[in-house]
Amino acid sequence: QVHLVQSGAEVKKSGASVRVSCKASGYTLSGLYLHWVRQAPGQGLEWMGWSSPDSGGTKFAQKFQGRVTMTRDTSINTAYMELSRLISDDTAVYYCAGGPPAAPTRVWFDPWGQGTLVTVSS
Amino acid sequence: QSVLTQPPSVSGAPGQRVTISCTGSSSNFGAGYDVHWYQQLPGTAPKLLIYGDNNRPSGVPDRFSGSKSGTSASLAITGLQAEDEADYYCQSYDTSLSGWVFGGGTKLTVL
Repeated sequence: QVHLVQSGAEVKKSGASVRVSCKASGYTLSGLYLHWVRQAPGQGLEWMGWSSPDSGGTKFAQKFQGRVTMTRDTSINTAYMELSRLISDDTAVYYCAGGPPAAPTRVWFDPWGQGTLVTVSS
Repeated sequence: QSVLTQPPSVSGAPGQRVTISCTGSSSNFGAGYDVHWYQQLPGTAPKLLIYGDNNRPSGVPDRFSGSKSGTSASLAITGLQAEDEADYYCQSYDTSLSGWVFGGGTKLTVL
């Protein structure tokens, strides 16, 4: 069974970058479709992007294009999401989540990491 | 403004049946794409509750069920229990956005 464990909370200044890690256990990351979803305080869920295990290809929500990168280090079974040029509205809990190897119109998110709180202060 | 529309809140007494609606459009599950549901207990990560419109992952009680018709989907919970008090989200793929979208979430209160 796949289990995802994320890195700890971060506090960043506006304009800085943050990198959140997501370590997989029970499954090799090289075979896992990995999505990133965030949730601002008291708000709903927002899909940010995903990385494919096949070629390491990525796709991002238009809102984050140019500011987000998603990478993997298969040697330590860990994925990373880096968000740059942070603003206060980026304060949120960031989740990694696995997705099935299915057509996009059928994809759901399971399992989820425990979440990483990123606080952006001015 | 979420692409998928859910009521902000619903409530019910223990033992009752409640439903949570999710309204989409022809660019997401109205086009026949799958809809999925998640339960988020306070302070925890979301948990997959229903996938592929009406399938339950292992371990999810059969008190939870999903349905879909056209641009509307619903999550039904029967035999409501105090532990069901949580936020619930629907999710689908949207072709106009070329990405995955969520409803705004519905807070379920067990009276």
